[in-house]
Amino acid sequence: GAVVSQHPSWVICKSGTSVKIECRSLDFQATTMFWYRQFPKQSLMLMATSNEGSKATYEQGVEKDKFLINHASLTLSTLTVTSAHPEDSSFYICSARYRGNDEQYFGPGTRLTVT
Amino acid sequence: KQEVTQIPAALSVPEGENLVLNCSFTDSAIYNLQWFRQDPGKGLTSLLLIQSSQREQTSGRLNASLDKSSGRSTLYIAASQPGDSATYLCAVMMGGYQKVTFGTGTKLQVIP
Repeated sequence: GAVVSQHPSWVICKSGTSVKIECRSLDFQATTMFWYRQFPKQSLMLMATSNEGSKATYEQGVEKDKFLINHASLTLSTLTVTSAHPEDSSFYICSARYRGNDEQYFGPGTRLTVT
Repeated sequence: KQEVTQIPAALSVPEGENLVLNCSFTDSAIYNLQWFRQDPGKGLTSLLLIQSSQREQTSGRLNASLDKSSGRSTLYIAASQPGDSATYLCAVMMGGYQKVTFGTGTKLQVIP
């Protein structure tokens, strides 16, 4: 089946540093990838939609300069949290939309803790 | 703005019972609807996807239905098992930019 990986699975960083999270579709091409954020005991909130080769579309309230998204190829999208602060601590999940059946396949998530 | 609500927020049932989880959405012009389960601290596992032109999908003990006109979907779980304990999320995808809105989730506990 379609598999999406995320790296790293968890990361701890100091306030003010930047962190990059990778999302890869391992066995299929994904023209569209999505980035979500999940706060404790809450549902997922869509942050941005990225299409290969074009700029990401950010949801209202999401700072594009804070959360840099790059969709360099049909199998890789990255999310960089710049100048991280403790309030950025969260669970970040990506998904990739399989061109064949429109189904979204989700990565295992990355838990970010900013100290 | 699409809003997706799931009822109940939490559900506890004895093993073996059949159960229904509900998902409602405010904008019926959807592209598809997908049901997921999420175990604590983990990512999402896709259960069923229903295209806007379909009325139901089945996989094993799971059956999902879709009524676009009324803005509702249900996930039916037959003969529940303790391993079914998880949070169940429905997600609605719109056309165009393919924006996905997740529901609030139903936390299910199946008691042995």
